[in-house]
Amino acid sequence: GQQLNQSPQSMFIQEGEDVSMNCTSSSIFNTWLWYKQEPGEGPVLLIALYKAGELTSNGRLTAQFGITRKDSFLNISASIPSDVGIYFCAGQALYYQLIWGAGTKLIIKP
Amino acid sequence: GAGVSQTPSNKVTEKGKYVELRCDPISGHTALYWYRQSLGQGPEFLIYFQGTGAADDSGLPNDRFFAVRPEGSVSTLKIQRTERGDSAVYLCASSLSPRDVTEAFFGQGTRLTVV
Repeated sequence: GQQLNQSPQSMFIQEGEDVSMNCTSSSIFNTWLWYKQEPGEGPVLLIALYKAGELTSNGRLTAQFGITRKDSFLNISASIPSDVGIYFCAGQALYYQLIWGAGTKLIIKP
Repeated sequence: GAGVSQTPSNKVTEKGKYVELRCDPISGHTALYWYRQSLGQGPEFLIYFQGTGAADDSGLPNDRFFAVRPEGSVSTLKIQRTERGDSAVYLCASSLSPRDVTEAFFGQGTRLTVV
């Protein structure tokens, strides 16, 4: 099935570093979402973006909805060990259906 | 319960067998969604229920897959004649609003392994 292009696939970072990941699509979406998934758990919504150009923050997380409506990025500032996990972008294709990226795995170097 | 509950957490079955995966949504949530997540991939849409009826089952891979929600609460995903390619994590989500999946909460998933 269709998936969004999410990069990077994985990131090895030091605690305290800033992190950036992005997502692109060949299709336009009216809503972009960012989720985090930890091992053995389902995805948890972090940020929802509803308007092209919108910049939204949730604590140390900031996400932007691209003006073309075909891309979005997520930044995490001053990473901490509990940020470890897999981050997914998703576009809302229909009111009940999301199209997902393949995820960015965040690993904190010891 | 407080969240979406899926049982079993893990299921190992032999190729060709029949399996049922259960989802208990958050109480009062009318919308229920099933997604499948293969290793290293994001979830893929399978089916959406609004109440008791399947409003869209276009994501089900083939006719070996079927899902029900007879009383508008618990849902069961049924897979006949399982194949090794069916191995994945099956995620269920529910939302109060039937018209906004962005408000959905996900369960922890059932990891299905077909050997």
